[in-house]
Amino acid sequence: EVQLVQSGAEVKKPGESLKISCKGSGYSFTSYWIGWVRQMPGKGLEWMGIIYPGDSDTRYSPSFQGQVTISADKSISTAYLQWSSLKASDTAMYYCARQRVVAAGNDAFDIWGQGTMVTVSS
Amino acid sequence: DIQLTQSPSFLSASVGDRVTITCRASQGISSYLAWYQQKPGKAPKLLIYAASTLQSGVPSRFSGSGSGTEFTLTISSLQPEDFATYYCQQLNSYPFFGQGTKLEIK
Repeated sequence: EVQLVQSGAEVKKPGESLKISCKGSGYSFTSYWIGWVRQMPGKGLEWMGIIYPGDSDTRYSPSFQGQVTISADKSISTAYLQWSSLKASDTAMYYCARQRVVAAGNDAFDIWGQGTMVTVSS
Repeated sequence: DIQLTQSPSFLSASVGDRVTITCRASQGISSYLAWYQQKPGKAPKLLIYAASTLQSGVPSRFSGSGSGTEFTLTISSLQPEDFATYYCQQLNSYPFFGQGTKLEIK
């Protein structure tokens, strides 16, 4: 079964760092772009960026460039989203998702992780 | 950046109704558009890609059409499980999403 499994919910304080993960299985992890999508409470979907695990080519939305870092470890089929200094406004559900077509540029996301809820509060 | 505007933002309908949701792009995106369904507490689910191609496993009551700047998602006969929020996503440049359309039971 093709799936993405994300790490569990996190509760952090402002200023703390965080790295959440997304593990792929059931397919060739290095061949498909993986993206991250933010959903703030009660709000819509925001595309944050994508990474190609085969060579770690990474693209960011201008809104998230410099605010987060997307990375991947192909040896363990895992993508990451990390913050160096969290803010209360980072409180949201974060989804990872796989693009539909092998090695394509922008494409629809056909496989989604279950989401990781990040809560940042003092 | 290409902006997407969905209409309506909220839609109230009954089981069996035919409903249409529109997504307009601020500039032409050919057929580089996808539609997703999201239920509360769940991850989004891909319904349609390339504007009109049904994702495997998605019921045939869902259909998509359009190209350029105007696109529609149609549900031919609403079922109880279709009440959800629907998002379009353009795949041309930065693949941003529309703001969503919440489909509620009348």
